[in-house]
This record gives sequence, structure tokens and C-alpha cells, in this order.
Amino acid sequence: DVKVTQSSRYLVKRTGEKVFLECVQDMDHENMFWYRQDPGLGLRLIYFSYDVKMKEKGDIPEGYSVSREKKERFSLILESASTNQTSMYLCATILGASYEQYFGPGTRLTVT
Amino acid sequence: AQKITQTQPGMFVQEKEAVTLDCTYDTSDQSYGLFWYKQPSSGEMIFLIYQGSYDEQNATEGRYSLNFQKARKSANLVISASQLGDSAMYFCAMRGGNSGGSNYKLTFGKGTLLTVNP
Repeated sequence: DVKVTQSSRYLVKRTGEKVFLECVQDMDHENMFWYRQDPGLGLRLIYFSYDVKMKEKGDIPEGYSVSREKKERFSLILESASTNQTSMYLCATILGASYEQYFGPGTRLTVT
Repeated sequence: AQKITQTQPGMFVQEKEAVTLDCTYDTSDQSYGLFWYKQPSSGEMIFLIYQGSYDEQNATEGRYSLNFQKARKSANLVISASQLGDSAMYFCAMRGGNSGGSNYKLTFGKGTLLTVNP
């Protein structure tokens, strides 16, 4: 059974804290993605990685960075969390003949 | 740049009836892929169906079918015989270009919230 796991389902952090969101996949795929989901806005791509140590900005990278030291792990970093980063964060990798994305369960982050 | 438009923020359907969720797209790529995902209230994203731009037939997966009209740039999801468990948010998404590298990334629409009434 394939798995994409995210380190936390719910997270509460204070403004200014450094926040790490971790994602681990067991599908041995090169591609991994981080999205944020906000009501009325759908999913927006923050960063993605197509190989170890390779990363590319998505549509809304400001305020975020990423790390991919190993193929199975892709971390999203909020260097100094702000209240406008309160959101649902979803990690994904590629699975299947159609190269559809397979998502983790999500992390609901609240920044107070 | 790619764009996905879902014009129906919310839809209601009676149980056992069919429903169509609209999706239009914009891209300059000749080769692209279109996806539909379901997100129940529990939050997980569930892949439903895929249509490639060169596929001549509309995709079908059980009760789901994708009404692909390339000239109109539309990729509507049709759910037949709706069930209460179909109540969820539905997202249309697009992948552009050829396979590999950055072309695996998806652009999502804003979603349609479907409510199935008993």
C-alpha cells in the first residue's frame, strides 16, 4: 500500500517561529510537490522538486523554502511564520500510468 | 501560463440523479493532461479520472466520466447515479507539456462543492 505521510495533521505556531513541515513518500519517485489550500482559492503550488537537491519555485514561493536531501523526504520551511500562512498544506508525489499526483493527508497549520 | 476555471462554487443534486461539474481550461501547450480530484470533508485528495489531450475517447471510471470537448477547451466531470458519499469538494486540474521534470506540476481550479440530497 503506497503512502505519503506528513509529519503532523494539525500544527499551531506563533508568529515569527521557524516551522518545518515534513513529507515522506515510499513510491521512489523523483517528483514531489508542496501545495497550500485556502477556501475559495483551490490548491496553489508553492515549490516542487524533480530530483534530490533539485527544486523549483511554484506559483507562490514567497515566505517559504524547501529542502530535499533524500529522495523520499521533502520538507517545507517557513523561515518566519506569519498569520497569512495559516492554511492547509498538502504534499504530493507522482503515482500511476497517468502520472497523477498522489497526496498526503495534509497539515492544517495555524499561526497565531 | 495555464489556467483552470470552475464557475460553480456549489452544486446540489438529488440522490440517484446525474450531475455535471464544469471545468474550462486555457493553455498554449499542444500536449496536456486533465484531472479531476475529490476532496471529502475529511480532507484527503482522491484522484478520480484522467484525460489526455490526444485521447480520442472520453475517459470513464465507474460512475465518473469526463466530457472532453477540445475545441471548447472544456473537461466537465459527469457523475452518474449520485450517492450521498459523493458529497465533497471537486477540483479540476491540468498538467501541461510533455512528461518529465517540471511538466508534472498541476494547476488547479478553485473547486466545486457538491452536495447530494437524500
